[in-house]
Amino acid sequence: AQKITQTQPGMFVQEKEAVTLDCTYDTSDPSYGLFWYKQPSSGEMIFLIYQGSYDQQNATEGRYSLNFQKARKSANLVISASQLGDSAMYFCAMREGIGGYQKVTFGIGTKLQVIP
Amino acid sequence: DAGVIQSPRHEVTEMGQEVTLRCKPISGHNSLFWYRQTMMRGLELLIYFNNNVPIDDSGMPEDRFSAKMPNASFSTLKIQPSEPRDSAVYFCASSQVGGDTQYFGPGTRLTVL
Repeated sequence: AQKITQTQPGMFVQEKEAVTLDCTYDTSDPSYGLFWYKQPSSGEMIFLIYQGSYDQQNATEGRYSLNFQKARKSANLVISASQLGDSAMYFCAMREGIGGYQKVTFGIGTKLQVIP
Repeated sequence: DAGVIQSPRHEVTEMGQEVTLRCKPISGHNSLFWYRQTMMRGLELLIYFNNNVPIDDSGMPEDRFSAKMPNASFSTLKIQPSEPRDSAVYFCASSQVGGDTQYFGPGTRLTVL
């Protein structure tokens, strides 16, 4: 089974609208972390947001929020008030293990295009 | 603070040549990761180090690939001999041991002709 599944190869959103990028994960590790990264056309990988498996609250960072539904094993990224600069590839990732051992797996990404 | 530094940013070489990619992690970070990104396979973890010790190299594709971390501020990924299918963007990332966030370098775009 895929560790991280991103089922939306591409998404369009109107500027100033909100958009949700889907991510589901699969792990038997009780302690894990979920991340979202943004990769603009320039190529760098930019950390956006993190959610720990034991965190009670959904993570938020400015216009980014992570809709964490543990029972459904989903960790969707919500971008509010989309901006043209949000156009990029978005990767969901999962860290398994704690302390000295970490295994990180990335999804295949979703390409988001913001339309003026 | 400086982020993760990688060099070179671009490398073009011919098949059979040795390629060495370099990485300087963020000061104070004890974990270092090497990734490879291609259109076909996405982002793959090749190897990672904790406190300069390789912890998991199961992602290293074959014996042509090797990685070292002689000290806390420097790591290399070497391909010898290089092949066209090694063409990819290679990222280095670092984090604190037990930390939750990896910070990526700008990547090295490798082209093997």
